[in-house]
Amino acid sequence: AQSVTQLDSQVPVFEEAPVELRCNYSSSVSVYLFWYVQYPNQGLQLLLKYLSGSTLVESINGFEAEFNKSQTSFHLRKPSVHISDTAEYFCAVGGAAGNKLTFGGGTRVLVKP
Amino acid sequence: NAGVTQTPKFQVLKTGQSMTLQCAQDMNHEYMSWYRQDPGMGLRLIHYSVGAGITDQGEVPNGYNVSRSTTEDFPLRLLSAAPSQTSVYFCASSIGQAGGNTIYFGEGSWLTVV
Repeated sequence: AQSVTQLDSQVPVFEEAPVELRCNYSSSVSVYLFWYVQYPNQGLQLLLKYLSGSTLVESINGFEAEFNKSQTSFHLRKPSVHISDTAEYFCAVGGAAGNKLTFGGGTRVLVKP
Repeated sequence: NAGVTQTPKFQVLKTGQSMTLQCAQDMNHEYMSWYRQDPGMGLRLIHYSVGAGITDQGEVPNGYNVSRSTTEDFPLRLLSAAPSQTSVYFCASSIGQAGGNTIYFGEGSWLTVV
């Protein structure tokens, strides 16, 4: 069985400040890890994913996440946030049995001016 | 570039009524799935399909039915709606069933059961 824990349900942050969203997972097999973003009243969009290779993965809009196998973590970071980053972020794990994802509970990021 | 299209976007049902949430994708994806989203619980898998004619249960299948007669369509049926099925439903697809393939989500269907 797989599970995902997102340690913060809400993260308020000021514009241009850094943000870190924490994600821990448990799985008995090798996994693939994902971060999805959901803007208000929209579906989920893939932000970035880790499949193999370099443990640091980056997105096109400045986010990065680091896979840490020993700590079973996949934290998401951005050094300087914008108002447009206000959204809910979901960490997910997959790969144990087909393309079924197990999601964490989500972290709402509210960027304040 | 439609991607994954869900209808209706909003629906109110009375307890005991049945309805079908429609889902269609135009990317020729083999793998399709339905999730429900509830506050604080993330998304949970209801049913999935690895190709036309093949469906299987996910984590929370009770009260829902699916079929996959074509590659493009994957409707979700609520057999007898209950207030516990009030949720946001997302249809998703990916090119194949292998883990790691990017999953594309529709924009969601908001369902309220009164």
